Formats: sequence, C-alpha cells, structure tokens
Amino acid sequence: SQQGEEDPQALSIQEGENATMNCSYKTSINNLQWYRQNSGRGLVHLILIRSNEREKHSGRLRVTLDTSKKSSSLLITASRAADTASYFCAESGGSYIPTFGRGTSLIVHP
Amino acid sequence: SQTIHQWPATLVQPVGSPLSLECTVEGTSNPNLYWYRQAAGRGLQLLFYSVGIGQISSEVPQNLSASRPQDRQFILSSKKLLLSDSGFYLCALETPPTGEGTEAFFGQGTRLTVV
Repeated sequence: SQQGEEDPQALSIQEGENATMNCSYKTSINNLQWYRQNSGRGLVHLILIRSNEREKHSGRLRVTLDTSKKSSSLLITASRAADTASYFCAESGGSYIPTFGRGTSLIVHP
Repeated sequence: SQTIHQWPATLVQPVGSPLSLECTVEGTSNPNLYWYRQAAGRGLQLLFYSVGIGQISSEVPQNLSASRPQDRQFILSSKKLLLSDSGFYLCALETPPTGEGTEAFFGQGTRLTVV
C-alpha cells in the first residue's frame, strides 16, 4: 500500500500565521496531490505536483516534493479562519489509484 | 470540466436494510472511479475502484459491493447494513493519465448512519 501519512495530525494556529503540513509515502509515485476537506463535506483538490517537480505554488499555497525522502509538504501562508479544515495528501503511483492518509486537522483561530 | 453527482447527502438506515448509493460523472469519458469511506476521525479508506464498465476491484473484504453498469455510473450497495457501515462515503473519479499526470475529483459525499 502506498498510503501516505500526514504530520502533524492536528495543528492549531492564529490567523496570519503560516501552517506547514507534511506527508510521507512509501513507494515511488507518479504524482502527489493535496486536498482540503471541510467538516462533513467532500474533498476539494488543491494542488498536484508531479514526481519530476520539486516545488509548486498556487496562491497562498506552496507544495514541495522530495522524492529522495519520499515526502511532501504543504505550506499555507498568512492563514485565515476559512482555512480551517482537514488536509490530505494522496499519492498516485503506477496503478493511478490515489491513496490517502488520515489527514492533518488544521484550526485557524481568528 | 468534470463533475461528480453523488446522492443522497445524508442517509439514516436501520440495521439489516439494503443500501444503494449512486454516483454519476460528467465531462469525461472512461474515467477511473472510486468509492472511499471515511469513518469518524479516520482517514479515507479505499473500498472499490473501477477502470471500466463491469470492472470492479475491491480493496478490503466487507459487507458492501459495487457495480459499474455504465461508463459514468458507479453504484455502492449492500444487501444488509451493519452498524459498522456507518460513515462518510465519497465517490471519486480520476481522469485518464496524460503528460500532466492524473487528477482526481470528488463528490460531496454521503453521510450514512446505520441505526
């Protein structure tokens, strides 16, 4: 199984601070994706980074990928209360089946 | 663009009753389709995936079954629900791989409570 593991499991910060979440995986990947899930809602795709990319930006999001360490990080800069959600990484390997970890629960206090 | 329709949003069913959750997709052809379950406080668990009509693979032994009668329709079923089937069920599609890789899209989910 390629199931990733997000770290930390929970993160509580103040509005305006940066939030960093990490994801580790076990086998080789084709790409890695980060998702957000608001409580009880479906997943929203945030960003996809391919295995040959090292860094990608989208608005306040910055994702890095280190294939030698089999890890990725998601940085949310200048966080807002609306960023409160669970964040998941999902790897897609040769079988193109995205597998998920348990997620990081982010709480941003106004 | 791809969209996923998943219904109902919430469902309360008695133990032993049957279940049918439907997922339909638009805006793409021949997608890979997936059913995930998320138990409270847990991560997403892959239940079934399908690479084409009539092709179903199961990741874990369970009380549920899946079918794909049409290219854009994926159904999750049970003949007799158990309490442990409660959870949040997500349907997902993955676009066919291109040079950009693949991308997954998710429905809004169904919250199933078995009582």
